[in-house]
Amino acid sequence: KAGVTQTPRYLIKTRGQQVTLSCSPISGHRSVSWYQQTPGQGLQFLFEYFSETQRNKGNFPGRFSGRQFSNSRSEMNVSTLELGDSALYLCASSTSETQYFGPGTRLLVL
Amino acid sequence: GDSVTQMEGPVTLSEEAFLTINCTYTATGYPSLFWYVQYPGEGLQLLLKATKADDKGSNKGFEATYRKETTSFHLEKGSVQVSDSAVYFCALQTRDDKIIFGKGTRLHILP
Repeated sequence: KAGVTQTPRYLIKTRGQQVTLSCSPISGHRSVSWYQQTPGQGLQFLFEYFSETQRNKGNFPGRFSGRQFSNSRSEMNVSTLELGDSALYLCASSTSETQYFGPGTRLLVL
Repeated sequence: GDSVTQMEGPVTLSEEAFLTINCTYTATGYPSLFWYVQYPGEGLQLLLKATKADDKGSNKGFEATYRKETTSFHLEKGSVQVSDSAVYFCALQTRDDKIIFGKGTRLHILP
């Protein structure tokens, strides 16, 4: 069974731009969660989608948004990028008990 | 709110040494507990988990026991290898299914 895939793997943007990251979950998994990983803050929960509906949300500003499609693929969008948005963005798809993570998208904001 | 505290790193050990990485948690009720591992340049991989008190999770020689009385889930391995060098994250699953992670512990194993 294929694992969680994320595209692109690396991205460089400048301040003020927007970015869209994509995540394809494991086949049959309907829940997709997004996390931001930085050296200073560690792993922080962004949001979770289940059957195209946002089910949980972390404490991030409205510039961070997401959506899920009917095939369970998910995208997250960050608008008006700031230097502090530079991070590894991880996506995880889950069964009821366990999350499986993708390799992440490394975003660098210049 | 729910939280996870794990020992600060980096932890440096020689090959074949005994490993313990401490993890304690604060949570409402009895959450499921996890250890994840992150190798350089990669995402997180589930290492082991335990879903109720006194459960022992184990995988690849690593073990952790869910201790309700001490709210702990310490990771242990009897004989580490160079290939175990990575960052290890303790985590819990909240009542509303969020995953809360500890800050991570970087482990270096010297040959």
